[in-house]
Amino acid sequence: QKEVEQDPGPLSVPEGAIVSLNCTYSNSAFQYFMWYRQYSRKGPELLMYTYSSGNKEDGRFTAQVDKSSKYISLFIRDSQPSDSATYLCAMSASSGGSNYKLTFGKGTLLTVNP
Amino acid sequence: EPEVTQTPSHQVTQMGQEVILRCVPISNHLYFYWYRQILGQKVEFLVSFYNNEISEKSEIFDDQFSVERPDGSNFTLKIRSTKLEDSAMYFCATSLQSFFYEQYFGPGTRLTVT
Repeated sequence: QKEVEQDPGPLSVPEGAIVSLNCTYSNSAFQYFMWYRQYSRKGPELLMYTYSSGNKEDGRFTAQVDKSSKYISLFIRDSQPSDSATYLCAMSASSGGSNYKLTFGKGTLLTVNP
Repeated sequence: EPEVTQTPSHQVTQMGQEVILRCVPISNHLYFYWYRQILGQKVEFLVSFYNNEISEKSEIFDDQFSVERPDGSNFTLKIRSTKLEDSAMYFCATSLQSFFYEQYFGPGTRLTVT
C-alpha cells in the first residue's frame, strides 16, 4: 500500500463550482498535512497546512483532516480559472529531531472552465 | 516577498558527467531540502540539511549524490556521474526550524541526461 494516495484526475469543473480534492494515507505517524499548488513546470507553492485533525479555512480554501479515517480534503469555493493547476497533498511525520521530510501524493490536475 | 531561487533552470548533460545544481535559500531559513520529480511522477524527498550536515536522506540519495553549503548562501546538490534515470525536475526547498512543515520551494532545475 502506498503511503499517500491521491486521485490524479483530471478534474474539470465550471467556474464558480465547489471543488473537492482528497488524499488518503497509510502512515499513522503523519501529523502535519499540507496542500501545495503546482503550475506546469513550476515549483510547488504552499497553500495551507493543518496540524492533526480538524478544519482550517483561508479565504476560498478549506482544509480538513480526519485522522481516524486517514483522509484529508481540500475544498475550493467559487472556483476561478486561475485555480487551474495541479494540487498536491503532502504530509510529515515529525517526531522532533530531524524527521522533517514531506511525503507527497501524486497530485490532482484541476481545470476550471470559464 | 522572499523566495527560493535555483540555477540553472535547465541543464542538459551527458551520461557519466558531473552536475551541480544551485539554490539560494530564503535568508533566515536554516533547513534546506532537495526533492526531485520525474516527469509524471510524484515529488520525492532526497535529502534534508541543517547546520552544515545531512539530517536525513532517502534511499534515492546514494553515493553519487552530495550536498553542501559552500559559501553560507548557496546550497548545492552534486550528482557525480549522471545516469539516464537522473533526468527529472530538482526542487530546492527551505524552512524555518520551528515551522519545518512550511517548506518553500524554488522553481526547480530541469535536468536532462542524454
